[in-house]
Amino acid sequence: QLQLQESGPGLVKPSETLSLTCTVSGGSISSSSYYWGWIRQPPGRGLEWIGNIFYNGNTFYNPSLKSRVTIIVDTSKSQFSLKLNSVTAADTAVYYCARRIAVAPKYAFEIWGQGTVVTVSS
Amino acid sequence: AIQMTQSPSSLSASVGDRVTITCRASQGVRNDLGWYQQKQGKAPKLLIYAASSLQSGVPSRFSGSGSGTDFTLTISSLQPEDFATYYCLQDYSYPLTFGGGTKVEIK
Repeated sequence: QLQLQESGPGLVKPSETLSLTCTVSGGSISSSSYYWGWIRQPPGRGLEWIGNIFYNGNTFYNPSLKSRVTIIVDTSKSQFSLKLNSVTAADTAVYYCARRIAVAPKYAFEIWGQGTVVTVSS
Repeated sequence: AIQMTQSPSSLSASVGDRVTITCRASQGVRNDLGWYQQKQGKAPKLLIYAASSLQSGVPSRFSGSGSGTDFTLTISSLQPEDFATYYCLQDYSYPLTFGGGTKVEIK
């Protein structure tokens, strides 16, 4: 049973860089059938897609965050990571990692991590 | 970016009721649309993919329909465990975009 687990600091200072890692267990991160994504949810609000990465490093980012976001993959560690720089209070959210299947006709985030709360505050 | 408009934003219903939630895309997304259920404090859970295909393990009282710009999630007989927030997500083109959510509450 594939599982995803987010990890990283729960508190980040304004203007600094938010860094989170998602560890994949129980399955391979190096499959051509899947993308690996980050989604966030500010307190009391809806879901926002941040970006996806393929095992070969190809990335897709939300234009609203593109200038500040980097997602990388480390297949040797079965991990992918999110970096968001120059954070403000608006970046306070629960951050989820998820596996997106991309095998026609199924395109969907079918497995999610439990989420990790990140607060931006001095 | 494709905008996804969900309605209603919230609804109150009783156990056993038939519930319908709609999602409208600002441009066509073929049938590349999914529905997710999120319970308080939990990660979203995939219910429906490709607009009308039931994810493995999801009860058959959930169904989806639609194509192009207009989509519907139906719960045929609401159960106590179905009280949650539901989101649509278009998976047709980047950036992927979610609807604003529909909170289903107990009447």
